[in-house]
Amino acid sequence: EADIYQTPRYLVIGTGKKITLECSQTMGHDKMYWYQQDPGMELHLIHYSYGVNSTEKGDLSSESTVSRIRTEHFPLTLESARPSHTSQYLCASSVTGAETGELFFGEGSRLTVL
Amino acid sequence: GQNIDQPTEMTATEGAIVQINCTYQTSGFNGLFWYQQHAGEAPTFLSYNVLDGLEEKGRFSSFLSRSKGYSYLLLKELQMKDSASYLCAVMDSNYQLIWGAGTKLIIKP
Repeated sequence: EADIYQTPRYLVIGTGKKITLECSQTMGHDKMYWYQQDPGMELHLIHYSYGVNSTEKGDLSSESTVSRIRTEHFPLTLESARPSHTSQYLCASSVTGAETGELFFGEGSRLTVL
Repeated sequence: GQNIDQPTEMTATEGAIVQINCTYQTSGFNGLFWYQQHAGEAPTFLSYNVLDGLEEKGRFSSFLSRSKGYSYLLLKELQMKDSASYLCAVMDSNYQLIWGAGTKLIIKP
């Protein structure tokens, strides 16, 4: 069973607010990812990390930032939330070196921006 | 551009067999993956194919033809709990996963 946790699970906030979505994993995985997923749509990669102090931008990264100060922790921050940010955000991790693509996902953070 | 195509929705009967197809066009190929995602939940890994042929894992099998850019996921002895979305994803030359939009499988009694 995967040990990757996201908080909050659900969040409703107003436009312009700064928010941080938390993600932690206890599996010691080096690689971590943030995806955005709308209902019935494909996953879009927002940011990813190969390890501590490593962060890379994905397809939808322009309005968010991430940090990787500790192996187990990979928070995602939206500096100024907008209604277009309403979506589900999925955090995932995988083992470095095993290029099998097996990702372990958290349960997701469903964000609604009013 | 990179593209993954799979049917939007399929319906099947409990106890039957269903085949979910996936075609892809990507920059390079380092493996094809199938994930299962129940409504409101996170995706979970089902299978991985990097060589042509069939990989069997219990009631689920996955097939790959790299020359045709084609894969399918075969589900046998369908159960109600198999109602979910099935996501096809391809790892490209940069080892990034390109995801399809998923196939919603509805199982009827």
